[in-house]
Amino acid sequence: GQQVMQIPQYQHVQEGEDFTTYCNSSTTLSNIQWYKQRPGGHPVFLIQLVKSGEVKKQKRLTFQFGEAKKNSSLHITATQTTDVGTYFCAGQENSGGSNYKLTFGKGTLLTVNP
Amino acid sequence: GAGVSQSPSNKVTEKGKDVELRCDPISGHTALYWYRQSLGQGLEFLIYFQGNSAPDKSGLPSDRFSAERTGGSVSTLTIQRTQQEDSAVYLCASSLVSWYGGETQYFGPGTRLLVL
Repeated sequence: GQQVMQIPQYQHVQEGEDFTTYCNSSTTLSNIQWYKQRPGGHPVFLIQLVKSGEVKKQKRLTFQFGEAKKNSSLHITATQTTDVGTYFCAGQENSGGSNYKLTFGKGTLLTVNP
Repeated sequence: GAGVSQSPSNKVTEKGKDVELRCDPISGHTALYWYRQSLGQGLEFLIYFQGNSAPDKSGLPSDRFSAERTGGSVSTLTIQRTQQEDSAVYLCASSLVSWYGGETQYFGPGTRLLVL
């Protein structure tokens, strides 16, 4: 079945440093989504990428979808303590069928030292 | 409108007892997912309901776990003869499904299960 791998598992940075997490799928995706889970909270949707090579920005966050639609990245510029949490990617396989199940990566836990 | 709700928010039970966890999805959402998240770990997919299709049960860890979704809305996850390794946060999520499939998943606050 489809697998979504995410690296790194953990990342600790000093406030102001940049951060990137990477996501790779074993199969071509129809779309990829990113979620953030704050400590003690539940995952909250950040963004969805659909097009090959798509790049979207949300303030200091930049999301990319690879040309082959099998990989994606989330880059945070100049991290702040409010960025702390676990970032998950979730891919939907381009199966062409009626099963729209999302497959989540294991997430990257980001901690920021003030 | 209201988001996804789950009950109870916390459940403490003794090993060997059965538990039922409830999820109320966002009204009109056709897809419903159950995940399990152990402390500091990622999301472990359990089961997925989509409209009237047969559920995808491929993530259920054992036959002690079952789930149903009545009337295409409320879902119940049942764990029979609970074991200590079942202790985790159980998260429910719902979403709409569009013609191209991908829609945002909205997560509930989760049920924190502790098996003593």
